[in-house]
Amino acid sequence: GQQLNQSPQSMFIQEGEDVSMNCTSSSIFNTWLWYKQDPGEGPVLLIALYKAGELTSNGRLTAQFGITRKDSFLNISASIPSDVGIYFCAGQDYGQNFVFGPGTRLSVLP
Amino acid sequence: EAEVAQSPRYKITEKSQAVAFWCDPISGHATLYWYRQILGQGPELLVQFQDESVVDDSQLPKDRFSAERLKGVDSTLKIQPAELGDSAMYLCASSLRSGTPGAYEQYFGPGTRLTVT
Repeated sequence: GQQLNQSPQSMFIQEGEDVSMNCTSSSIFNTWLWYKQDPGEGPVLLIALYKAGELTSNGRLTAQFGITRKDSFLNISASIPSDVGIYFCAGQDYGQNFVFGPGTRLSVLP
Repeated sequence: EAEVAQSPRYKITEKSQAVAFWCDPISGHATLYWYRQILGQGPELLVQFQDESVVDDSQLPKDRFSAERLKGVDSTLKIQPAELGDSAMYLCASSLRSGTPGAYEQYFGPGTRLTVT
């Protein structure tokens, strides 16, 4: 079945630093979504992207829909301790298949 | 703010027993999803409903899992009999009706953590 790859798998950063992570697919997607999941909780939707090249912000978060339609990027500026968690990308391909990536685990050091 | 409700939050059961999870989606959301999430992995779709109809249950282990959404609102996911490998987080999500702007945006409940002993 369809699979998404996320990198990095995990990252440790200092509070205040900017963060970048990405999500790639071997096939074309028409929608990209980014979620954050805290331990023991359900994923929370951060940003939804619908058009190739689209750049969307939500506070300190910025995500982009790659122009190839096979990737997406999430950036977090000026990280704070509450940014800790697992970030999942998810996407819908043209076959209407909706899949999640394996996640990027973010740790923020004070 | 509208939320997806799930219960119970935690469930411990012995293998071979039956277990059931309940989900109440956001009001007005026609589409409901059940996912299974194994620790360290992303959620995997088990079943998708549009109103009371199953849209996709291709990944649902139908020999032991069943799901229903009788009135097109809340839903129940059942496992009988439970096996050790079923230990996971079971997540429910909902979204607007397919074809509606924003229909791809799924909103998740807090999940039910199942432990099978």
